[in-house]
Amino acid sequence: IAGITQAPTSQILAAGRRMTLRCTQDMRHNAMYWYRQDLGLGLRLIHYSNTAGTTGKGEVPDGYSVSRANTDDFPLTLASAVPSQTSVYFCASSDSEGGGTDTQYFGPGTRLTVL
Amino acid sequence: GQNIDQPTEMTATEGAIVQINCTYQTSGFNGLFWYQQHAGEAPTFLSYNVLDGLEEKGRFSSFLSRSKGYSYLLLKELQMKDSASYLCAVMDSNYQLIWGAGTKLIIKP
Repeated sequence: IAGITQAPTSQILAAGRRMTLRCTQDMRHNAMYWYRQDLGLGLRLIHYSNTAGTTGKGEVPDGYSVSRANTDDFPLTLASAVPSQTSVYFCASSDSEGGGTDTQYFGPGTRLTVL
Repeated sequence: GQNIDQPTEMTATEGAIVQINCTYQTSGFNGLFWYQQHAGEAPTFLSYNVLDGLEEKGRFSSFLSRSKGYSYLLLKELQMKDSASYLCAVMDSNYQLIWGAGTKLIIKP
């Protein structure tokens, strides 16, 4: 693989169910990010990780959790999905540690529908 | 609060030039990015400006005025494949990207 991969590509989920969106990068980037993109709104940061072992909250963290056990993987978990979490989720990475301005590169996205 | 404004939609003709504007108000400034996003796809990086002035990269150029909180993306010799959304994003004092809602560019033959 080259770049960032996300899984699944799309998912329909019943409200109240737990769901983990997977993100893997092979560029050895330090920083990783999770965004959601909704029609008419800009990308909104959910959680981020400046380096393996650390995570931080973004603009819209409620209802989501992340972990960063290693450099390559950054899964996003919805503990109990609600319809307002219906969105397109993008994972991104950059070769910075929170103090730099390196470009963010995006995965292909996961389209999630919560019914 | 932090705010990024850009037009919702623009239409242009194949072969022409189009300018997409972006104004911003953020807590701190560590650079401005432009991304392109085709429908159903991921955003892809186009340009980065941190100093005032024009950065040219092939058919695309990006301009920044920090004193005015203003940037534009200039696309020349438009091609049908340029039909996409163009996203403006500013890196704030916490090195987080604040994103505009994007400008959908429609290219007509």
